[in-house]
This record gives sequence, C-alpha cells and structure tokens, in this order.
Amino acid sequence: QVQLQESGPGLVKPSETLSLTCAVSGYSISSGYFSGWIRQPPGKGLEWIGSISHSGTTYYNPSLKSRLTISVDTSKNQFSLNLRSVTAADTAMYYCARDQRSSSDYWGQGILVSVSS
Amino acid sequence: QSALTQPASESGSPGQSITISCTGTSSDIGAYNYVSWYQQHPGKAPKLMIYDVSNRPSGLSNRFSGSKSGNTASLTISGLQAEDEADYYCSSHTSSSSIIFGGGTRLTVL
Repeated sequence: QVQLQESGPGLVKPSETLSLTCAVSGYSISSGYFSGWIRQPPGKGLEWIGSISHSGTTYYNPSLKSRLTISVDTSKNQFSLNLRSVTAADTAMYYCARDQRSSSDYWGQGILVSVSS
Repeated sequence: QSALTQPASESGSPGQSITISCTGTSSDIGAYNYVSWYQQHPGKAPKLMIYDVSNRPSGLSNRFSGSKSGNTASLTISGLQAEDEADYYCSSHTSSSSIIFGGGTRLTVL
C-alpha cells in the first residue's frame, strides 16, 4: 500500500535551515507522480509549500520561494525539503504528499517542527 | 496570494445535507477545474475527498459531492453522519502554477 513518512529534526534554531525528507513506499516516484509538501501551523489552516516532478521540475509557493528548495532522489524513492532562514512563523506540522495534477491523494502522518532557540 | 474564502463553521443534524462554499478569483477557481476538498479530523493528516471539482477518489462515499460555479466551489455532504464532524479545506490550482488553500471550515454534527 502507498505510504509516505516524513523524517527530520523536530527542533530548529531561528535563522538556521529546516531540512526534512519524505520516504515513499508502495509506488515509484519515477512513475510520473508529483511529490508535494504542505504545512499547518498549530491551530491554523493548511499552507501549500511546493511540489516537484520525478524529473526535478519544481513549483513553489511564491511567499516561500526565496528560502525554499525541494529536491527528489528517485534512486532512494524519496524527496526532500530545505527551508532556509527560519523564524518562529515556520513552526508547523509538515506533511509530505503524493500529488496528482493539483490534488494530494496520499499524505504522510506529518512531523511537527518547532523553531526556537 | 490570499487564501480562498470559506465559512469558519457550519453545522447540521444527522441525516441532513450541508454545503460548504469556497470562494476564489478568476485566477484560481474561476480559471481551472482543479478544485480539491480535504477532510481533516483532529490530530490526523488531511484526507482527499474530492478532486478536479467533482470527482471522488475510489471507495469514497457518494454522500460527498463537489461542484463549481464561476469563482465559487462547493462541497455538499448528504445524509450527515457523526463521523463527518471534522475540518474541511478546499484548494485550487492558480495562474502562478501554485496551489492555494481555503482557510478551513469546521463542521459540527449536532
């Protein structure tokens, strides 16, 4: 069955880089799906971060674009998120997801990342 | 880009039908048939309920349906059940090749 699992540090210091990885099982990233990241600050709504195709074409949230890099490693069937110069406003539950056209049909369980010194 | 506009809350009694609206602009909902709806229970990841305006993922109850008129999309839940109580989010593709979400609607089953 399709599964996605986020991993990475749960605590990041302000001004540093938030790095997360999403390990995929049950399907191949190379089979044409996009891979996406979505976040949700505590008690708030969903915010789309960005997505990447299996060939590396990226689409980013304009408000995060200057700090954001999403990459894919098809050999490991995983994709990653790097968000630079983080502040407390980046504290959120981060979800990875499988994307088809403009919807996310499978989601990871999420990982809570706090930005604090 | 501003979030799509959803009512903060809706409520209904078991067995009733309710409709949640999602209003955008001519650069997102009005321009593309790429509206999705997600259900999120507390402490859980969102679940895709509707994609491409009105399509249900395989195996999903036909009590859930979606539609669109102009810049506004709608999610209708018929035969409301207790387990439908959750937060619902709409999303749309945009003209800047990004995705935008609505602020979310908390559905209460009375």
